[in-house]
Amino acid sequence: GAVVSQHPSRVICKSGTSVKIECRSLDFQATTMFWYRQFPKQSLMLMATSNEGSKATYEQGVEKDKFLINHASLTLSTLTVTSAHPEDSSFYICSASNWVSSYNEQFFGPGTRLTVL
Amino acid sequence: QKEVEQDPGPLSVPEGAIVSLNCTYSNSAFQYFMWYRQYSRKGPELLMYTYSSGNKEDGRFTAQVDKSSKYISLFIRDSQPSDSATYLCAMKAGANSKLTFGKGITLSVRP
Repeated sequence: GAVVSQHPSRVICKSGTSVKIECRSLDFQATTMFWYRQFPKQSLMLMATSNEGSKATYEQGVEKDKFLINHASLTLSTLTVTSAHPEDSSFYICSASNWVSSYNEQFFGPGTRLTVL
Repeated sequence: QKEVEQDPGPLSVPEGAIVSLNCTYSNSAFQYFMWYRQYSRKGPELLMYTYSSGNKEDGRFTAQVDKSSKYISLFIRDSQPSDSATYLCAMKAGANSKLTFGKGITLSVRP
């Protein structure tokens, strides 16, 4: 199956700093990448959808100036959490798709745990 | 009412038991139905996919979709301790639509 990696797997930062998370599709070119956030014992909530070379589409309630998404190539998307605060502490998961199947399966990365002190 | 509702759990069963996991949904436009398994601190992995109504079997796993009742199920036969994980249902209207997830249910299979 298609493999998606994320880096870092875990990050701890001080309040007010910015954190960048990378999402890479390792063995396929991803036309679309998705960013999700998952709080403890909660489901995955879609934050934004990005297509290579175009601006991301953010879900309602997600601050685009706080969560900057860049999808510069068909294998790399980045999420930057700007001026992070403790309430941004969460598990961030990306996924990638490229119509490998008729239902356009999303392949998920292993997630990044962000802790803001 | 949330678009996708999933039994909250947690669920604990003895090894070898048959497990039934369920989700209901309110959006009649949903056509694609998935079940994901997520181990602790890992990303979800696709277990089963079903398009529209019907049953699908893969080894010890069976997925059922009843669109008339807006109800989907995942059955696990001969459950194993390695099946212990969180199971999330997910669905979408079109192949290019966004996925909507249930809250997930944590399953523990006791040896």
